[in-house]
Amino acid sequence: DVKVTQSSRYLVKRTGEKVFLECVQDMDHENMFWYRQDPGLGLRLIYFSYDVKMKEKGDIPEGYSVSREKKERFSLILESASTNQTSMYLCASSLFWLPTGRYTGELFFGEGSRLTVL
Amino acid sequence: EDKVVQSPLSLVVHEGDTVTLNCSYEVTNFRSLLWYKQEKKAPTFLFMLTSSGIEKKSGRLSSILDKKELFSILNITATQTGDSAVYLCAVRGGSQGNLIFGKGTKLSVKP
Repeated sequence: DVKVTQSSRYLVKRTGEKVFLECVQDMDHENMFWYRQDPGLGLRLIYFSYDVKMKEKGDIPEGYSVSREKKERFSLILESASTNQTSMYLCASSLFWLPTGRYTGELFFGEGSRLTVL
Repeated sequence: EDKVVQSPLSLVVHEGDTVTLNCSYEVTNFRSLLWYKQEKKAPTFLFMLTSSGIEKKSGRLSSILDKKELFSILNITATQTGDSAVYLCAVRGGSQGNLIFGKGTKLSVKP
């Protein structure tokens, strides 16, 4: 079965703390993504990665960084958490598109990490 | 700017009703449109549509895409309380080929 696992379901941190959100997928997917989801704003892409050690900025990368040292693991880092980063964070993965047609548009999501910054 | 707009934002119906959820888009380099259902946790995949006019069906849910008018609808017939969820529409396209999400439609089905 397809599995994307986010290590922390609920976190409470203080302003200024460094926060790590971990995501692991067991599907050998090339692509991994970090979104945040806020009421009234929907899902917004923070960062994504097409390969190990590769990262690309999404729509709202400010205040975040990422790390992808292994294919199965994609970490989101808040260097100095702020209250406006209180949100639900969703990790996702997908297969890479190849000219041969091995492609799926489907994202597989983790259960989410609800972060509260006080 | 690429955008995906869903309507209505929320909807309350009674069990047995039929509902239609709408998704319109303005996205460059369109590749596909996807529907997801999100209950309390991770969004789960429903459909992916790439061609106009071809209905995708799964049980009481169905969806169709109109690439000329740039919209899709998701129909749910004979709704049940278990259909209560946020339904997300997403379009793959744009300069990077990522999914661009709408804000979702919150469906509440009352017994």
